[in-house]
Amino acid sequence: GIQVEQSPPDLILQEGANSTLRCNFSDSVNNLQWFHQNPWGQLINLFYIPSGTKQNGRLSATTVATERYSLLYISSSQTTDSGVYFCAVARGSQGNLIFGKGTKLSVKP
Amino acid sequence: DTAVSQTPKYLVTQMGNDKSIKCEQNLGHDTMYWYKQDSKKFLKIMFSYNNKELIINETVPNRFSPKSPDKAHLNLHINSLELGDSAVYFCASSTRERIYGNTIYFGEGSWLTVV
Repeated sequence: GIQVEQSPPDLILQEGANSTLRCNFSDSVNNLQWFHQNPWGQLINLFYIPSGTKQNGRLSATTVATERYSLLYISSSQTTDSGVYFCAVARGSQGNLIFGKGTKLSVKP
Repeated sequence: DTAVSQTPKYLVTQMGNDKSIKCEQNLGHDTMYWYKQDSKKFLKIMFSYNNKELIINETVPNRFSPKSPDKAHLNLHINSLELGDSAVYFCASSTRERIYGNTIYFGEGSWLTVV
């Protein structure tokens, strides 16, 4: 099956700093999504981005499908950005996402 | 107006019991899923279901079974609960209007503790 690796596994930032989270995947995919799991356990969909670049406020994401990686950028981080960020991919006509192990982000005030 | 809702949010039960977790989506999606998140936060697909087919992850014990009374509901039944079943179970839904890729929406999770 497809392997999904995320880096770094843990990240500690000071409020206001910028960061880049990376997701590598081992095979071609036609579905890639980024999620944020907040400290209360809620999984929030950030981006559906199998290719290209998208931006939403302080967050943006880029997927280079031919090189099998995706990046999530967080600018001017806030304490509410803390949590675990997951990358998930799928291939074929099924939507069954395969998740990476996540990047745990802690933003300090 | 919660998009994907699960009940109960917390469930503590004894080994050997049978329990169910209910899931409802009001998004009009045609595919629903169950995911399991273990103590290390690893998320893994258990089932996906639309009105045509059920796809089961082969690693899921047959003590787990999904039941879909209609398109908007996919309930999870667990028989003979074991300690290792303790986890957070997430229901999710998506639409397959686009064959290649779809955005998936998760419920808030159900924390199951088996004692």
